[in-house]
Amino acid sequence: ETGVTQSPTHLIKTRGQQVTLRCSSQSGHNTVSWYQQALGQGPQFIFQYYREEENGRGNFPPRFSGLQFPNYSSELNVNALELDDSALYLCASAYGSGDKNTEAFFGQGTRLTVV
Amino acid sequence: GEDVEQSLFLSVREGDSSVINCTYTDSSSTYLYWYKQEPGAGLQLLTYIFSNMDMKQDQRLTVLLNKKDKHLSLRIADTQTGDSAIYFCAELGRNSGYALNFGKGTSLLVTP
Repeated sequence: ETGVTQSPTHLIKTRGQQVTLRCSSQSGHNTVSWYQQALGQGPQFIFQYYREEENGRGNFPPRFSGLQFPNYSSELNVNALELDDSALYLCASAYGSGDKNTEAFFGQGTRLTVV
Repeated sequence: GEDVEQSLFLSVREGDSSVINCTYTDSSSTYLYWYKQEPGAGLQLLTYIFSNMDMKQDQRLTVLLNKKDKHLSLRIADTQTGDSAIYFCAELGRNSGYALNFGKGTSLLVTP
């Protein structure tokens, strides 16, 4: 049990729709990162928030956006869903930024299926 | 980022040792990690090693780091059926913007 919770656990959406995924960080953690894990692949970094500001982004288009709230919980928003967006979306929380961010703890993920 | 390489499959008998290997990409990586993922679950942090260390032992787990070859390994002693899972190697370094750069994972099957 990592103390990182994600909701919902499963979701089915239609191509072109928009989706919001949520993450509640472990207590005391001020950094949250989002990863996309396609079937049979390792997780791919989407972006990271530190103290409510985006401070790193992977190779994902702008229709992937996020927010971090004052309580350090976070949202991942995806607009104009495509079939290839079907994946497990993982949230990770940590304390600190950059190379101070030593231990990241993951939630159980949200399984998104786009049909 | 560039690819972190892992072998895809490993099968061992219960009670034997398992060794999972990884080659990482970023010589500036400060930390290297091993995560475990069971079916339908998120990632569980098993252990990590700081880049100025050669070895770290934690109960049944031993991590070896060869910085010259950018090679990381995870040895699981006395492997149990509950160890069957996918194991991911990940690096944290400047080249990845200090985000975790994962390999594709090694699927470990432990047979009785």
